[in-house]
Amino acid sequence: RKEVEQDPGPFNVPEGATVAFNCTYSNSASQSFFWYRQDCRKEPKLLMSVYSSGNEDGRFTAQLNRASQYISLLIRDSKLSDSATYLCVVTITGTASKLTFGTGTRLQVTL
Amino acid sequence: GAVVSQHPSWVICKSGTSVKIECRSLDFQATTMFWYRQFPKQSLMLMATSNEGSKATYEQGVEKDKFLINHASLTLSTLTVTSAHPEDSSFYICSARVKGQGGGEQYFGPGTRLTVT
Repeated sequence: RKEVEQDPGPFNVPEGATVAFNCTYSNSASQSFFWYRQDCRKEPKLLMSVYSSGNEDGRFTAQLNRASQYISLLIRDSKLSDSATYLCVVTITGTASKLTFGTGTRLQVTL
Repeated sequence: GAVVSQHPSWVICKSGTSVKIECRSLDFQATTMFWYRQFPKQSLMLMATSNEGSKATYEQGVEKDKFLINHASLTLSTLTVTSAHPEDSSFYICSARVKGQGGGEQYFGPGTRLTVT
């Protein structure tokens, strides 16, 4: 079983739509959680950290459910520029610097 | 701030030759840098953790004699792919953690696309 699992997509949505991505992690010792964004043939860039209390940054909302070992990302009012691959990333307790990446979920926002 | 550069951005080399990739933190000091590899449609896989002034720590399955890592200063780490083969063709990305900053946030370089013919 992969340490971090994501639906690869692609998710094709019209501009203005709301879209949600899910991610599950297998290691209960996972400590920190992030969503990164990766454009085609580019490096990943941090989108937001994810906290148990949930956090929001503009049109983006991230949630963490430790009991279910589940992370989500909600994007409201999708823009064309949101088209990218969204990577779910976790770190494990005791290895705070080591990032474990999911394979990513590809989003394509269309007119 | 927190900019990481990589050089070269892409390279084509012949099988059997060696290729060196540089990773630099431009505006911060990084005691720890990380080297990842990403094959098409796959996730980033950590190859090794590079600590300034000490030997790199390699992930399971990564040959340390094939992927030589040197982290000679707080702003520079290099990855040398020795005796490259076509199966080493991949996207190599480095990242750095700001010195003194805890947590999981890392800053990524733009990546180096290696093609071995």
